[in-house]
Amino acid sequence: TQLLEQSPQFLSIQEGENLTVYCNSSSVFSSLQWYRQEPGEGPVLLVTVVTGGEVKKLKRLTFQFGDARKDSSLHITAAQPGDTGLYLCAGVRFSWGKLQFGAGTQVVVTP
Amino acid sequence: DVKVTQSSRYLVKRTGEKVFLECVQDMDHENMFWYRQDPGLGLRLIYFSYDVKMKEKGDIPEGYSVSREKKERFSLILESASTNQTSMYLCASSLFPPGRNSPLHFGNGTRLTVT
Repeated sequence: TQLLEQSPQFLSIQEGENLTVYCNSSSVFSSLQWYRQEPGEGPVLLVTVVTGGEVKKLKRLTFQFGDARKDSSLHITAAQPGDTGLYLCAGVRFSWGKLQFGAGTQVVVTP
Repeated sequence: DVKVTQSSRYLVKRTGEKVFLECVQDMDHENMFWYRQDPGLGLRLIYFSYDVKMKEKGDIPEGYSVSREKKERFSLILESASTNQTSMYLCASSLFPPGRNSPLHFGNGTRLTVT
């Protein structure tokens, strides 16, 4: 059983559409990170959220950390083919804890 | 930019062989990690090291060991490879431990096939 559940597992959309990816847990996290992984490469950090209710924007990507620090979402506005990739959320439960990853959401944006 | 280099992109080994996966980082990071990535399971932590003198088991250490003789190098060892160790292996490093919100910098992975 994954500590962090991501949904959906797979998302295929057309260029210009919006999408949201969810990362949920029954546990409280001190912080959550979002990574994107492209084929043949390692994951690359997009953002870290640390405060409950926090919203961070990275160009067309909006990240939100739930008020209770148990969940997070990633919203992409007007998706582009360059947004294609595997999106992974990862969380730390304690200041001395290990980073736990979700299974990932594969996003495919077609022109 | 941090560079994490994994020595092999693809490896094919036979059951029972001893396998070494090498990882080197060039940013003087104290912290290094080995994960394996399998479809539907995400990244699972095998071993990590917060200091050259320290090695700790992660969530799935069985069948693996590690070596960290120098700060920049962290090696994963499969003592006797088995087919269920066929996977993508990712090495990562970070400036601070994860609890201090330090990002992980990953290598491009080694895809290991055990036949």
